[in-house]
Amino acid sequence: ETGVTQTPRHLVMGMTNKKSLKCEQHLGHNAMYWYKQSAKKPLELMFVYSLEERVENNSVPSRFSPECPNSSHLFLHLHTLQPEDSALYLCASSQVWTGDHNQPQHFGDGTRLSIL
Amino acid sequence: SQQGEEDPQALSIQEGENATMNCSYKTSINNLQWYRQNSGRGLVHLILIRSNEREKHSGRLRVTLDTSKKSSSLLITASRAADTASYFCATDDQVGVIFGKGTRLHILP
Repeated sequence: ETGVTQTPRHLVMGMTNKKSLKCEQHLGHNAMYWYKQSAKKPLELMFVYSLEERVENNSVPSRFSPECPNSSHLFLHLHTLQPEDSALYLCASSQVWTGDHNQPQHFGDGTRLSIL
Repeated sequence: SQQGEEDPQALSIQEGENATMNCSYKTSINNLQWYRQNSGRGLVHLILIRSNEREKHSGRLRVTLDTSKKSSSLLITASRAADTASYFCATDDQVGVIFGKGTRLHILP
């Protein structure tokens, strides 16, 4: 139990569907992150939220839309995805976001997304 | 890019032996972290070492940092079957951390 819970664990969707990934952290942290992990590629940072404000989106396609309604919850809204978006999507949290003095991050077990 | 690069990409050793993984990076850092990922799970933070530290220990883990060579190593002593996993180093970026592609460690019984 890492204190970061992601749902669903697996998701299969068509390219025209709209779905959302959910992340909840029970650690009292102030920063949350979305990562994409594809086979044979390094973990890619997608979004960072600090105190519920988005810090960076790293030029992520607009078909991915994050939402952080409070410091404990983070969503990733998906629409009109492409086959290359199939990957493991990981959520993480850290006590604070400090820019270039990074703190340990606590990860959820991810959502395995498959686009048909 | 600042991306850390782990070496080797894959490593198989007998249970009880020591495992050493290396990480090289390109520009100066404030912190360097090591993470473990078991198959089908999220990453687990192992150790953070600051740029002014040279060595850090945690249980059977020993991390070294050589900022002059821009490299770090992770040593796992007396390996166990449960150590089978991928290991990643993560270095500072302006916004967050950048992960390498990882070293896949397999402990043979």
